[in-house]
Amino acid sequence: DGGITQSPKYLFRKEGQNVTLSCEQNLNHDAMYWYRQDPGQGLRLIYYSQIVNDFQKGDIAEGYSVSREKKESFPLTVTSAQKNPTAFYLCASGLAGGWDTQYFGPGTRLTVL
Amino acid sequence: KQEVTQIPAALSVPEGENLVLNCSFTDSAIYNLQWFRQDPGKGLTSLLLIQSSQREQTSGRLNASLDKSSGRSTLYIAASQPGDSATYLCAVPSGNTGKLIFGQGTTLQVKP
Repeated sequence: DGGITQSPKYLFRKEGQNVTLSCEQNLNHDAMYWYRQDPGQGLRLIYYSQIVNDFQKGDIAEGYSVSREKKESFPLTVTSAQKNPTAFYLCASGLAGGWDTQYFGPGTRLTVL
Repeated sequence: KQEVTQIPAALSVPEGENLVLNCSFTDSAIYNLQWFRQDPGKGLTSLLLIQSSQREQTSGRLNASLDKSSGRSTLYIAASQPGDSATYLCAVPSGNTGKLIFGQGTTLQVKP
């Protein structure tokens, strides 16, 4: 089955902790993206990567970090510097340049305790 | 700066009705527009992608149109069913990086 997987489905974080959200794709896509979804605010871009070993900040990158060591994987770390991390996080992938359909994973819901 | 707006924010219709969801964007220099469906607590499912050279795309009971000059797209759902109940989002790419700018979505409820 081709697609995008995200894990875990639910994640709980204590104050001051860093947590890492996993995103894996087997669609052979060069580009991968992380979005954050909050009620009433739509989706906002956190980070994106168009090629292995390269990534750029999106609109709300503060308090987050990423890596792109493999084409298939684009993990997102939510650091303690992110003051309001409770949200639904969505990973996506697509062809470089965005000329075609973008595919999304099932999401990870992060809650701060 | 590109802005995407969807109207209405919510819509409730009886089963069997044909309905139209609207999406508008401020910068007409787009090369495609994508419509997604999102069920509660789930990821996004791509429904239709319209390239800038196209005016329409159809998939089953769904038809999406694109008018770049007026900055509008519509998603037409024929003979709505309770299973169509979901949030529908439109999105356009920003620049040539593929990063998407989303509307706030229209939450549709189809009553049996």
